[in-house]
Amino acid sequence: EAGVAQSPRYKIIEKRQSVAFWCNPISGHATLYWYQQILGQGPKLLIQFQNNGVVDDSQLPKDRFSAERLKGVDSTLKIQPAKLEDSAVYLCASSLAPREQFFGPGTRLTVL
Amino acid sequence: AQSVTQLDSQVPVFEEAPVELRCNYSSSVSVYLFWYVQYPNQGLQLLLKYLSGSTLVESINGFEAEFNKSQTSFHLRKPSVHISDTAEYFCAVSHDTGRRALTFGSGTRLQVQP
Repeated sequence: EAGVAQSPRYKIIEKRQSVAFWCNPISGHATLYWYQQILGQGPKLLIQFQNNGVVDDSQLPKDRFSAERLKGVDSTLKIQPAKLEDSAVYLCASSLAPREQFFGPGTRLTVL
Repeated sequence: AQSVTQLDSQVPVFEEAPVELRCNYSSSVSVYLFWYVQYPNQGLQLLLKYLSGSTLVESINGFEAEFNKSQTSFHLRKPSVHISDTAEYFCAVSHDTGRRALTFGSGTRLQVQP
């Protein structure tokens, strides 16, 4: 069974530029999550989708972050414009049952 | 709201010694509890989980954790560590109903020395 795929693995941008991350969950997993992991901290939920609907985006900085999940499968997370404090690893996870989440390898973003 | 506290940011230990990584949580409702491991430049891998039933849960590589409801703890233990256990370990909690997103602790870096 293929795992959660994410791309790119690494991205370096200048502040005020825009960037997008892509996630392909495990086939059949209805729930998809985006987490932000700042260096030295645990992951923090940004947004949760159930199929293509948003369940929780209370911690998503909506002035600069946006996310979508088209057709309830792949998802993209966008930052526009990026700030220095957005430097982090962005993790995508998916789950079939609400008891276990499977994580992708993450995208490491560096904002200069 | 729920929160997770991992009391130790780093735990150095010698190979073949026992280790305990501490985790305490706070929640007003029933929870599921998890331990995830993260090796350098990799994503999170589930190590073990407590959903219900027996309060002692075990992983396939020798780790175990015990759910203590009265002390709101879910400490991770291993009787004899290997060099390959060197990694970052995260404790996490989710509600057993509703949205079920994970709330993570800040992590404990386990450093196994020869």
